[in-house]
Amino acid sequence: DQQVKQNSPSLSVQEGRISILNCDYTNSMFDYFLWYKKYPAEGPTFLISISSIKDKNEDGRFTVFLNKSAKHLSLHIVPSQPGDSAVYFCAASAIQGAQKLVFGQGTRLTINP
Amino acid sequence: EAGVAQSPRYKIIEKRQSVAFWCNPISGHATLYWYQQILGQGPKLLIQFQNNGVVDDSQLPKDRFSAERLKGVDSTLKIQPAKLEDSAVYLCASSSSVGIYQPQHFGDGTRLSIL
Repeated sequence: DQQVKQNSPSLSVQEGRISILNCDYTNSMFDYFLWYKKYPAEGPTFLISISSIKDKNEDGRFTVFLNKSAKHLSLHIVPSQPGDSAVYFCAASAIQGAQKLVFGQGTRLTINP
Repeated sequence: EAGVAQSPRYKIIEKRQSVAFWCNPISGHATLYWYQQILGQGPKLLIQFQNNGVVDDSQLPKDRFSAERLKGVDSTLKIQPAKLEDSAVYLCASSSSVGIYQPQHFGDGTRLSIL
């Protein structure tokens, strides 16, 4: 039972353009959502998060949007830079679940110069 | 602030052997997690500790995996005996318990290969 899904295994974007990564979830109890970035041979690095009481959170070039009715969230990176090339994981948790994180399968983002 | 420390970085063993991984969380973080990440998948939680007590171990294969956090700081994860399907990266993470909605911070993991 895949509760968090990232349907695009890979995405290629030109430098300077917008990157949009998508994530869908099925469990309506999830109330906190996070994006992690992972480089090869390193652990995931926390990027940005959003709680279910908000529909948007922004941090510099990164913005996360949450659509609770559609059970969908997205990460926008503007403008995309070569250093953004990595695997991005979406994760979700529920306060009632002791904040246990459930991860998606990841999307490999490649920024082309 | 020092990050989550894990050792060893790599380990190669034969099936049916035993192996142990060590984790030192970020100072002051009461909650510690062990994840298993199989190639091409997202991390999957194995066990969660709050101080030295277990909060969730529902996905830990208890017939072969064990974990402890004796003094509420460092933790070890053990596999005995190892199976081929245990080949994965084992990640440790920690988070602060101050307030709700605290992100988890990960170490670089231990890559385990079973021959």
